[in-house]
Amino acid sequence: DIQMTQSPPSLSASLGETISIECLASEGIYSNLAWYQQKPGKSPQLLIYGASSLQDGVPSRFSGSGSGTQFSLKISSMQPEDEADYFCQQSYKFPYTFGAGTKLELK
Amino acid sequence: EVQLVESGGGLVQPGRSMKLSCAASGFTFNNYDMAWVCQAPKKGLEWVATISYDGSSTYYRDSVKGRFTISRDNAKSTLYLQMDSLRSEDTATYYCARLRYWYFDFWGPGTMVTVSS
Repeated sequence: DIQMTQSPPSLSASLGETISIECLASEGIYSNLAWYQQKPGKSPQLLIYGASSLQDGVPSRFSGSGSGTQFSLKISSMQPEDEADYFCQQSYKFPYTFGAGTKLELK
Repeated sequence: EVQLVESGGGLVQPGRSMKLSCAASGFTFNNYDMAWVCQAPKKGLEWVATISYDGSSTYYRDSVKGRFTISRDNAKSTLYLQMDSLRSEDTATYYCARLRYWYFDFWGPGTMVTVSS
C-alpha cells in the first residue's frame, strides 16, 4: 500500500497568516493527489484534485502543488472558517490511502 | 443539488451482518463510479470499496475482502454496502461518496456503525 505521511499533525495560525501542510507519498504517484477539509461533525469536502486543481466553489486562497512524492496545500490568509482537519489522499493505485490528517486551529 | 444520504447504520453484534444504503439525487447516478469511505471515532479516513458506474467492476481494501459487498441499483439511484462477519474494528462512520476523476467530490453525512456485544 502507498503510505501518505502528512505534516505537521497540528498547526495553529493567526488571522491572515499563510500556512502550508505537507504530504509525502511512499512512492511516486504523479499528480494523483487530492486534499480534503473536514469540519467537526461534518463529512469531508474536496478542496484540491490532481494535486493543484481547485474544486468548484473553493476559495482561491487555497492552492495545491507538487508531483511525484512531495505535495503541499497552502492557505494564504487564514480565515476563521478554515479551522478544520485537512487530509491528503492518493488515487494512483488501489487501495486509495489518506494521510493521518492535520488539525488547523486559529490562534 | 447533489445529495447523498446514507442509512442503515446502528449497533450490531460481532459476527453479524448489516446493510447500508445510500440514496443519491441531483445528478445522473449511472454516470458515476461510487465508493464507501469509513472513519473510526477520532481517527482518519479509510477507503473501503469502489464500484464502477455500471456495477461491472468492484474494488475492496484487503481487510474487508470476502466480508463486504458493494453494489448499486441504478434504477433506484441507490448504492449499497453489505457487511458480513462484522468485527469490532469495523466500528466507524461510513460515508457514501461520488467519484469524479478518481477523487471523492461529494460525500454524504455518514451513518455510524458500532460493532459490539
